[in-house]
Amino acid sequence: GQSLEQPSEVTAVEGAIVQINCTYQTSGFYGLSWYQQHDGGAPTFLSYNALDGLEETGRFSSFLSRSDSYGYLLLQELQMKDSASYFCAGGAGGFKTIFGAGTRLFVKA
Amino acid sequence: SQTIHQWPATLVQPVGSPLSLECTVEGTSNPNLYWYRQAAGRGLQLLFYSVGIGQISSEVPQNLSASRPQDRQFILSSKKLLLSDSGFYLCAYLKEGQGSPYEQYFGPGTRLTVT
Repeated sequence: GQSLEQPSEVTAVEGAIVQINCTYQTSGFYGLSWYQQHDGGAPTFLSYNALDGLEETGRFSSFLSRSDSYGYLLLQELQMKDSASYFCAGGAGGFKTIFGAGTRLFVKA
Repeated sequence: SQTIHQWPATLVQPVGSPLSLECTVEGTSNPNLYWYRQAAGRGLQLLFYSVGIGQISSEVPQNLSASRPQDRQFILSSKKLLLSDSGFYLCAYLKEGQGSPYEQYFGPGTRLTVT
């Protein structure tokens, strides 16, 4: 089957660093994407890894290891506004995409 | 710039009633378009995707259907809604020029409650 597994919840304090892991099993893999979704809103694209290694975009970084079928999203200098759900997504052949169930991040003061 | 619209924003419908949700994209030609459904507190389930007018790929063989009558218009329909159809329906398009679906842009969504 095709699936992406993420932890359901993560809690961290303001100013800290948090890592959200994603392990996947998909066909037609093109890379791993990450999306952020605040309560009541639509998902917004954060980052994409096509190749192994770390991609950095401001406070957010994303990592991919194809050999381990594993990736993670790293959020630094956490802010209260980072409290949201984070989804990893991968290819499922052609233009199809499969999303993980999402990780709810709670940032505490 | 590219923008995506969905309507209505919220909808309450009785079981057995029909459904029509519309999505339109501006600022791009021949976009790849997607319909997703999200149950409360869950991930996104791909329902349909389309790579061109009249071309629909179905991922969920249920009581839903999709159509693409125009290049930038994507419609999700049902003849008879079920309670299990309740959820947050999201339309998305692929960023122009991409060869793979890694960067998708979502519309504001329609929150459907079937009573």
